Parts: sequence; structure tokens; C-alpha cells
Amino acid sequence: GAGVSQTPSNKVTEKGKYVELRCDPISGHTALYWYRQSLGQGPEFLIYFQGTGAADDSGLPNDRFFAVRPEGSVSTLKIQRTERGDSAVYLCASSLNEDSPLHFGNGTRLTVT
Amino acid sequence: QKEVEQDPGPLSVPEGAIVSLNCTYSNSAFQYFMWYRQYSRKGPELLMYTYSSGNKEDGRFTAQVDKSSKYISLFIRDSQPSDSATYLCAMDTGRRALTFGSGTRLQVQP
Repeated sequence: GAGVSQTPSNKVTEKGKYVELRCDPISGHTALYWYRQSLGQGPEFLIYFQGTGAADDSGLPNDRFFAVRPEGSVSTLKIQRTERGDSAVYLCASSLNEDSPLHFGNGTRLTVT
Repeated sequence: QKEVEQDPGPLSVPEGAIVSLNCTYSNSAFQYFMWYRQYSRKGPELLMYTYSSGNKEDGRFTAQVDKSSKYISLFIRDSQPSDSATYLCAMDTGRRALTFGSGTRLQVQP
């Protein structure tokens, strides 16, 4: 079946602009996660949704970052006033429930110029 | 000091060799242990998922967890060129916020 889908696959934006990154989880998966991966590093946790609510947003680096999942399926990660340090691959993952392993999408490569 | 340490490599082996990949960790609260494989410009792909100490085997892959030593390993038997990728260990306390190692880049030479 279809895996986790992330759009766009690449995004180039100028410093100070606002960006939205979209994630379509695997159908039926109730848990959704956002991670960020910098070059040469492992993914770092940002936020986790169970259903529509953010169960853990402790990994969001500051208040420029925000994520929503209004209907418990698709999620959008929003970054305001982007900075060059925000450049990374943003990965989304979903799992069937809280006890199941995570399945990742291919990520959105964000470049802030 | 990072919570999870992983040698970045690269690790280069001939086709057919047995590969050993390792991670050490410092947080004794980690309960779940995973290995992911990541090809260039792709997302991590789950290979192995374990909860307790001991061994778990799946085809050519064997995962070992030693909680007393805070050490986990992944063994790949009969390695193939298609196994060339970055291997990430990941750990979870149950909060669902995985902590990853930095990844080991593996190259299997034909």
C-alpha cells in the first residue's frame, strides 16, 4: 500500500519567509510524528500527534515552529520567519498506534537562502 | 555527551562479509530499540524493532540488545552491494520521541 507522503519534496525559500510542509500518513495510522534531519546527523524529534492533538511538542526548537493535524490525518508543519539554520530535511512518520513502530516518508528538503 | 553514540564510518566491506554495526547509549530509561536503513535522499526504513535484551533474527539481519552494558548491535550476514546505505540506531523510552544515533555509512564492495 501507499507509504507516508510528504510534499513538496524540495523547498527553497528566502530568509524571513513563511513555509508550510505537508504530510499524508499511511491510511489508518493514528499517530503522526515530525522529525528534522541535518546533514550527517540522525533525525531529531520535533512533535508527535495522537489523533488531532499534539501529545508531545517538546522537540519544537522555538515558537517559530508550529504543527497542526486538524482532522486526525494530514498534518502541516509551519515555520515562520525562516532562518538559514532551519535548512534541513524535515521527515514525517506515522504508526498504526502508540505501540507500533514508526514508518517514515522521504522528507522535505528545506533550503533557506 | 550525546545520549546515543554511533561510529559514523564509513565502513567498507567486500560482498559476502558479515557486517557488525553498534551503538552505545547512556539513558537507562530506553526500553525500545530499533535499526533503520537510510538510502541517499530517502527516509529511514525500519529493519528491526526489539523491546527486551537478547537477540532477534530476521532473514540476514540479527539485532542484539544488552541493556546491562547499554549496547546494541546489528549484524548483517552475506552482505550485498544493495545493503550499501546509512544505518541508524534509534531508541525510545516509551514517550514515542525516538532518539537516533548519527548513523553509520556502510559500503559493500562487489
